[in-house]
Amino acid sequence: DAGITQSPRYKITETGRQVTLMCHQTWSHSYMFWYRQDLGHGLRLIYYSAAADITDKGEVPDGYVVSRSKTENFPLTLESATRSQTSVYFCASSESLNPRVTRTEAFFGQGTRLTVV
Amino acid sequence: AQKVTQAQTEISVVEKEDVTLDCVYETRDTTYYLFWYKQPPSGELVFLIRRNSFDEQNEISGRYSWNFQKSTSSFNFTITASQVVDSAVYFCALSEARTYKYIFGTGTRLKVLA
Repeated sequence: DAGITQSPRYKITETGRQVTLMCHQTWSHSYMFWYRQDLGHGLRLIYYSAAADITDKGEVPDGYVVSRSKTENFPLTLESATRSQTSVYFCASSESLNPRVTRTEAFFGQGTRLTVV
Repeated sequence: AQKVTQAQTEISVVEKEDVTLDCVYETRDTTYYLFWYKQPPSGELVFLIRRNSFDEQNEISGRYSWNFQKSTSSFNFTITASQVVDSAVYFCALSEARTYKYIFGTGTRLKVLA
């Protein structure tokens, strides 16, 4: 199906383990984003990407790694999971043909609920 | 610095009341974009509206209206005659033209009571 999909939807992992959250979009959008949602903090930007092989840190990047070898995929890796990384993670994508003229809205995946025990 | 403030953590209203959700933003860019999203109890994020900094015209869509005021750096959202189905968390977001990141506020939880 077209759109943006995240996998897995639910994940339980142990402290210290590496875990990768997947994000795939079928629109060929240039921009992709990872957010975490925690009570009282809203959506906080972890990493974002303007195109393949171009990534930047967001507000809360520590403990996370991203890559974007292909336009449609933007995986997020927790190198050594900690309990403080228990959260709901959202991936999003956005297309802007001319970012100095207009900016389209971001389309979100359904989220991945990650629990670190 | 880029920042979005939603000072109202939670609002409760009775059905058919009007309610306004506040959003105040900070940016150094002269060109920027503002958004509102809705997150119902099911958890998905639903886009509601986009507004460009060079277009201060207010917008109305059914029971929803948005008031954009650059002078006060505010982009407020009003629901007229609220309904139970409006119960959700509402997020305001900002994107600057010179970067491509979206920054969200902490959200306002709206509870509409029957």
